[in-house]
Amino acid sequence: DIQMTQSPSSLSASAGDSVTITCQASQDINNYLNWYQQKPGKAPKLLILRASTLETGVPSRFSGSGSGTDFTFTISGLQPEDIATYYCQQCDNLPLTFGGGTRVELK
Amino acid sequence: EVQLVESGGGLVQPGGSLKLSCAASGFTFSNYWMHWVRQGPGKGLVWVSRVNSDGAWTHYADSVKGRFTISRDNAKKTLYLQMNSLRAEDTAVYYCVRDQGGDAFDIWGQGTKVTVSS
Repeated sequence: DIQMTQSPSSLSASAGDSVTITCQASQDINNYLNWYQQKPGKAPKLLILRASTLETGVPSRFSGSGSGTDFTFTISGLQPEDIATYYCQQCDNLPLTFGGGTRVELK
Repeated sequence: EVQLVESGGGLVQPGGSLKLSCAASGFTFSNYWMHWVRQGPGKGLVWVSRVNSDGAWTHYADSVKGRFTISRDNAKKTLYLQMNSLRAEDTAVYYCVRDQGGDAFDIWGQGTKVTVSS
């Protein structure tokens, strides 16, 4: 199975800050990497697919990059409504696997 | 409105069975692969199973293989998950998920809670 290692597991930032989350795959997954946002008590929401493609309707302050084994997710200008847990997911091989999540809090 | 609505969760004893259903609306259900993803209490997301658009191909996580069965009825626009020989570690919220293509999950249900406990 492909292991997805996300870091940090949690972070605290101020409104307006740039926030960066990394996700490392245990083997090359090309760009088959998606990012999701999950707010407390809600279902996850797809934000970015194929490492860098913004899902329709998602604000442009969210972005993703990377390929191979190392990926980055960035929020440029954190907003209060961005407080959530973020997950990466590889879709290169079965079983599909998720990172452990990064909880983003407001300082 | 594109929507997935799960049902069928509840409390079941270890070794018991439960069948989850997921009713789809607002899109052509038969065109999409579908998945189940679960989330244990306070835990992260775990992929459980997927089925292709016509129901012919299915895949499972090793942890549920041989115990869970995914299926679909395209005429009823409904996805199912038959869960047998349930264990405490199967306790989770189960999400029905639409695959927009390439195993990217673009539509999620609200989740149905399954608790396995004596």
